Amino acid sequence: DAGVIQSPRHEVTEMGQEVTLRCKPISGHDYLFWYRQTMMRGLELLIYFNNNVPIDDSGMPEDRFSAKMPNASFSTLKIQPSEPRDSAVYFCASSSSTGTGIKETQYFGPGTRLLVL
Amino acid sequence: GQNIDQPTEMTATEGAIVQINCTYQTSGFNGLFWYQQHAGEAPTFLSYNVLDGLEEKGRFSSFLSRSKGYSYLLLKELQMKDSASYLCAVRRTDKLIFGTGTRLQVFP
Repeated sequence: DAGVIQSPRHEVTEMGQEVTLRCKPISGHDYLFWYRQTMMRGLELLIYFNNNVPIDDSGMPEDRFSAKMPNASFSTLKIQPSEPRDSAVYFCASSSSTGTGIKETQYFGPGTRLLVL
Repeated sequence: GQNIDQPTEMTATEGAIVQINCTYQTSGFNGLFWYQQHAGEAPTFLSYNVLDGLEEKGRFSSFLSRSKGYSYLLLKELQMKDSASYLCAVRRTDKLIFGTGTRLQVFP
């Protein structure tokens, strides 16, 4: 399996620009999570989906952030307009609610390193 | 609410044993995870405890006491490649709440 795929791996943009981060979960996984990681705040959950439906978006910092999951194999996290304080590493993770073993384990993608100037 | 505490940094010597503690207070609990994260990389799964007791997995072991809101990760026969951050995470319903992580440095 290819694992969770994220793109781009690095993004440098200017304040005010729109940023779109992309994620492809592991095939067959029905949960998808978006996290943000900074030195100050650690790893924070922004939003998660189950079967393409947003379940909990209480971690989304403000209206500038939005996330979609149009199908089981693709999700986007959009920041519009971006601000310097959005600079962080954004991780996507997926997990499965079925199967054997530790089915709740979340598998993380490589992350997108975002720098907003 | 939830509160998860871990030491910020720890150091140890190659070949030694180190214990990383995690205490938590949460309104819901469905298990505790430990993840390893090397610098510049994604977190990777290490262990999962849902019942009290010790889970052993090679050089790594994880312990849980639900009544005390306490867990630890035990790393034996430390190797240089074990230098990384170790994240404790509490599962609450479908989501994980992460601690800020413990950065472990292993010296020769």
